[in-house]
Amino acid sequence: RKEVEQDPGPFNVPEGATVAFNCTYSNSASQSFFWYRQDCRKEPKLLMSVYSSGNEDGRFTAQLNRASQYISLLIRDSKLSDSATYLCVVKPGGGNKLTFGTGTQLKVEL
Amino acid sequence: DTGVSQNPRHKITKRGQNVTFRCDPISEHNRLYWYRQTLGQGPEFLTYFQNEAQLEKSRLLSDRFSAERPKGSFSTLEIQRTEQGDSAMYLCASSLVEGEGKNTEAFFGQGTRLTVV
Repeated sequence: RKEVEQDPGPFNVPEGATVAFNCTYSNSASQSFFWYRQDCRKEPKLLMSVYSSGNEDGRFTAQLNRASQYISLLIRDSKLSDSATYLCVVKPGGGNKLTFGTGTQLKVEL
Repeated sequence: DTGVSQNPRHKITKRGQNVTFRCDPISEHNRLYWYRQTLGQGPEFLTYFQNEAQLEKSRLLSDRFSAERPKGSFSTLEIQRTEQGDSAMYLCASSLVEGEGKNTEAFFGQGTRLTVV
């Protein structure tokens, strides 16, 4: 089983739609969680950290469910510019490396 | 530009040749990571340095791969006797770790795209 699993998509949604991505992780001792965004042929960039209580940044909401070991990202009012790959990232407790999922591709269309 | 810088951006090499990539992290960052990414996959961890010390290496890092960070600033990743399977994007990232292991955001460079023919 992969350490971090995501549905690769692609998710094709119309502009203005709400879309949600889930991610599961296998290491129950994981301590830190993130969503990164990666545009085609570009480097990954931090979108937001994920906190136990859930957190929101504008149109983006991230949630963590430790009991079920999954993380979610909700994007409201999708924009064309949201088209990218969204990478779920986990940092195991006691470790220092970031472990990435395969990414979920989002395509927002007119 | 004060971000993470990687050189070269692209490298095409013949199978069996050696290649070396360079990464210049953000100047005050003490932690440096190397990742490899192939099409349709997320970045895979290769190794990381805390200052000049290489603290962890992935099992993906075969004996043909070696990384150094001699002065705790820039780092090099060398691949000896390249194979076609080494074709990938090699990403470097850096972050600042402050007391009690508090780790700031990891910033990635634009990567070096290696093609082995």
